[in-house]
Amino acid sequence: AQSVTQPDIHITVSEGASLELRCNYSYGATPYLFWYVQSPGQGLQLLLKYFSGDTLVQGIKGFEAEFKRSQSSFNLRKPSVHWSDAAEYFCAVGAGDAGNMLTFGGGTRLMVKP
Amino acid sequence: EPEVTQTPSHQVTQMGQEVILRCVPISNHLYFYWYRQILGQKVEFLVSFYNNEISEKSEIFDDQFSVERPDGSNFTLKIRSTKLEDSAMYFCASRTGSLEKLFFGSGTQLSVL
Repeated sequence: AQSVTQPDIHITVSEGASLELRCNYSYGATPYLFWYVQSPGQGLQLLLKYFSGDTLVQGIKGFEAEFKRSQSSFNLRKPSVHWSDAAEYFCAVGAGDAGNMLTFGGGTRLMVKP
Repeated sequence: EPEVTQTPSHQVTQMGQEVILRCVPISNHLYFYWYRQILGQKVEFLVSFYNNEISEKSEIFDDQFSVERPDGSNFTLKIRSTKLEDSAMYFCASRTGSLEKLFFGSGTQLSVL
């Protein structure tokens, strides 16, 4: 069965600093990989996804992620964090028909210092 | 951007009671899902629904759970006899087709007392 690990439960960065959120997955086949963000009181919003092709994926809000098969990782990055990026971030792997069933990591809560 | 709408945002019920959680997916979407998140735990897949039938379900989705699309706009999750451990945030999601972006609603917080 597939699984996703986000090793960092909380991360605090200063505004303007770079960010990297770690994600490791376990899945027997070529994975469908996703990053979602959840702000308080909001639903889950898709930041980016990887299905195939270029291993560096660009998403919304200036985020990108790189799929590294050899490391079973799909880390999320942003070169310069804004205060509005404070939220909870979830990595997910999709199984089933075209990634129908998502398995989520435990999430990383990002706090941004002024 | 279009939205998935869930009502109510909070629901409190007594153990053993039936609850129905309601969702209005985005109008041209064809695939529908329920996920849940118990406080402090991961978001978990419950069920997917396509072409008026369940396409996949998890071990969590036992006989106490059912889903329905009673008309062209609503998608409901029913829990027949709620248990304390059903307390969670329930998320509805939808998308137009496979490989397409999945849109989530803002969730219904269910509290079973």
